[in-house]
Formats: sequence, C-alpha cells, structure tokens
Amino acid sequence: AQSVTQLGSHVSVSEGALVLLRCNYSSSVPPYLFWYVQYPNQGLQLLLKYTSAATLVKGINGFEAEFKKSETSFHLTKPSAHMSDAAEYFCAVSQNGANNLFFGTGTRLTVIP
Amino acid sequence: DTGVSQDPRHKITKRGQNVTFRCDPISEHNRLYWYRQTLGQGPEFLTYFQNEAQLEKSRLLSDRFSAERPKGSFSTLEIQRTEQGDSAMYLCASTIAGATYNEQFFGPGTRLTVL
Repeated sequence: AQSVTQLGSHVSVSEGALVLLRCNYSSSVPPYLFWYVQYPNQGLQLLLKYTSAATLVKGINGFEAEFKKSETSFHLTKPSAHMSDAAEYFCAVSQNGANNLFFGTGTRLTVIP
Repeated sequence: DTGVSQDPRHKITKRGQNVTFRCDPISEHNRLYWYRQTLGQGPEFLTYFQNEAQLEKSRLLSDRFSAERPKGSFSTLEIQRTEQGDSAMYLCASTIAGATYNEQFFGPGTRLTVL
C-alpha cells in the first residue's frame, strides 16, 4: 500500500524567505514521488517528480526536492519565496508511475509581502 | 492542443438528481483518470481507462457512479441519485501509457454542489 503524509496544512513565509514543505511517504515498493501545485480554480500542475534517478530533483519555478530513503521523505524547497508561489501544494506517490496517484492532504502556502 | 478540458466547470443540483460530467483528454493520450477532491483534501482516485477499457475502479466509486469512454477519446462520469456527500471537485487527467513514467495532465475540474 502507498500513502503520503504532508506535515502542516498551512505554511506562511515572508517574501524572499526559504520555502520548506514536508512530505513523508509509505510504500511497499520503490516509489515514484511527485509534487503538484494547484492555484485557485485551476487544475493540478506538476512541479517535479522522482523516478529513481537522481535523488535531488529540480522542478519548475525554482522548486526542488530531495528523496531520502532513510527518512522516507521527499520535502519540497525553494530558496526564496515569491508572491506568485502562494498556492496549494500536494505530494503524491505512485507504485510504478504508470498507475493512479495517491495524494496527500495538501499544504496551503501563504507568502507575506 | 489546449490541454485537458472538462465540462461543465460548475454544476449545482438538487439531491436525488442525476448529473453527468465530460472530460476531453489531450488528443494523443490513451489513458484517462478520474479523481475526486473534497474541501481540504487531496484528490482521491476514482477510476481509469486505457483506450476504451475501464481497467480499475476505486472502492469510492459506488454503484451510483458510472464512467464511460466509448471511443477511447472523451469520457463521461455520471452520478445517479446525487447525495450531499457527492459535493466535490471532480478532476480528470490524461497521459500516454508506457513502460516508464509519463506525466498526468490535469483538467480544471468540475465543481459539483448538491443542495
């Protein structure tokens, strides 16, 4: 069985500050892991994905995430928050990348000017 | 191609009525997924198709829900005898099935409100 846990349903950061959104996974097989972003009244957009290649994954909009098997984590970071980063972020896991995704409950990021 | 489209974007209905949603995937994508997202939660998998075949259904998909993809292109999701608990955002996603991971592209969703 696969699942993800996102710690913190709401995160607030100041503009220019580090963004850290936490995700821990549970999977009985080597997982495929993803971060998606959802802006209000829009669908989900893929930020980045881990597919068992490099453990440090770079995505769009300056985001990156590091796969740490020992910690079963896949935290999302961005060195400097921008106002346009305010959105809902979802971590997701898939067994083999070709099947359905299992999503976390999401983290709403607020960026304070 | 402008991506995955869903129609309608919003639907308000009374309890007990039937509703149908449509999803048009990206044209060359042979795999299509339906997810449901309730307030404050992440999307939950409902079902998926490869071409016209429905390959998997979640336990969330009760007997009142039916999905079709008759020609392997667009898909419809019907909810019969709607209940207030069906109020949610219904998301569609599509991809090209293959041996390695292929990104799922999501549509904007259909927001259902059952009064």
